[in-house]
Parts: sequence; structure tokens; C-alpha cells
Amino acid sequence: NAGVTQTPKFQVLKTGQSMTLQCAQDMNHNSMYWYRQDPGMGLRLIYYSASEGTTDKGEVPNGYNVSRLNKREFSLRLESAAPSQTSVYFCASSGSGLAGPSSYNEQFFGPGTRLTVL
Amino acid sequence: LAKTTQPISMDSYEGQEVNITCSHNNIATNDYITWYQQFPSQGPRFIIQGYKTKVTNEVASLFIPADRKSSTLSLPRVSLSDTAVYYCLVGDMIKGGSGGGADGLTFGKGTHLIIQP
Repeated sequence: NAGVTQTPKFQVLKTGQSMTLQCAQDMNHNSMYWYRQDPGMGLRLIYYSASEGTTDKGEVPNGYNVSRLNKREFSLRLESAAPSQTSVYFCASSGSGLAGPSSYNEQFFGPGTRLTVL
Repeated sequence: LAKTTQPISMDSYEGQEVNITCSHNNIATNDYITWYQQFPSQGPRFIIQGYKTKVTNEVASLFIPADRKSSTLSLPRVSLSDTAVYYCLVGDMIKGGSGGGADGLTFGKGTHLIIQP
């Protein structure tokens, strides 16, 4: 049981290049998320997918696109990378959110992708 | 979305109890309070979640007063390995991330806890 995996671990791009960050989870979770974390800052939500076939914008979606390929996989694409997108990108997943006030959606995070855009 | 306020940083010593308080004055009726821990170069890790009164697990306790406008994460007898950033999140965990929106997914800057020998 690998949990949440992300590829690549590191990436250097030149301004204007494109790339796709891959994320997969093996916990049969319905919901998946992409965050970015800049140095000394908290995580900011880019996009999320509440369930297979749906995606929604988070706090900082500009410059990114996502694809929920299937229940396991959620990819993040940078079409034209900019230096401002230099950051660490985390993917996360959470369960189905059972009905009732006693349930919760604990998020499980991947190891992150460290992206530098020159 | 309920906004949270936490201290930017805290220091303590090994063996001490550490309490980190989070303010969330506009918490809504359906909102839960969740705490995550993050070590350098790693993704955050869930610590504890609660709705009211007190919740305890093997690593921490969470105290929530009756008005729920604040909460306190309590770490008993900390060690050097507890040095990390701690995030307080508030949101509707039923809606959040399972079809109803991004509620409860705002991490903020967190509290940087430094434990000294």
C-alpha cells in the first residue's frame, strides 16, 4: 500500500515550457487535491476533484489545468511555466466523507514535487 | 470559509507540554477543527480533529471551548522530533473535499514549533 505517489520528485523547467505532474493513490479515495507551497508559506489549494469526473478551482488556479483520469489518478499541467510557479507541489487524497457529524475527511499527502522554473 | 489565526512560532523544551491555540471567531455550525503537522520536505500529516469539548488520541489532545471560537492543540511531553509546523484548519468536513466545495482546505501559514534540548 503505497498511499499517495507523485512523479517526478524534482523538475527544472525553462520559462514557457510545459509539463505534467502525476499523482496516484491506492486507497480508493474519492477526493484528490493539488496544493502548492512556497518557501515559508502554508499550502494553497490549486485545484481539487471531489469525485471521479469532477474538478473544481481552488484558491490559486491560474496557470494550471488538471485532469482526473480515473479514481486513482489526478494530474496537474502547467501549459506555459513561469518563474512565479517555482514551488513545491503536493498532491493529496481523502476518503468518501461518510454522512454524519462524526465523520471527517483526513487528507493523505504525497512526498511532493519540487519545481524550479528558470 | 472560517478564517484561522495562530501564532507564527513557539519555542519549548523536551519533556514539556506544549499548547498551540488557534482562533476561529466565525466558525460555522457544521465546521470541524482539524490539525496537521508538517516536517521539512514532507507533506502535512493529520494529527487530530474535533467538533466540541475534548478529543484525545495517541499523539495529542484537542480542547474546544463551548463557544468553539478557538481551539488548543496540546502535545504532551514533547521531544526534539516534534519540531515542525502545525496547521489549524476549520471547515465543513462533510462538504469539504467530497462534493460540496473546498471548505476546510485552507492551511494558512501555521505555527512553527521549535523544541530545544
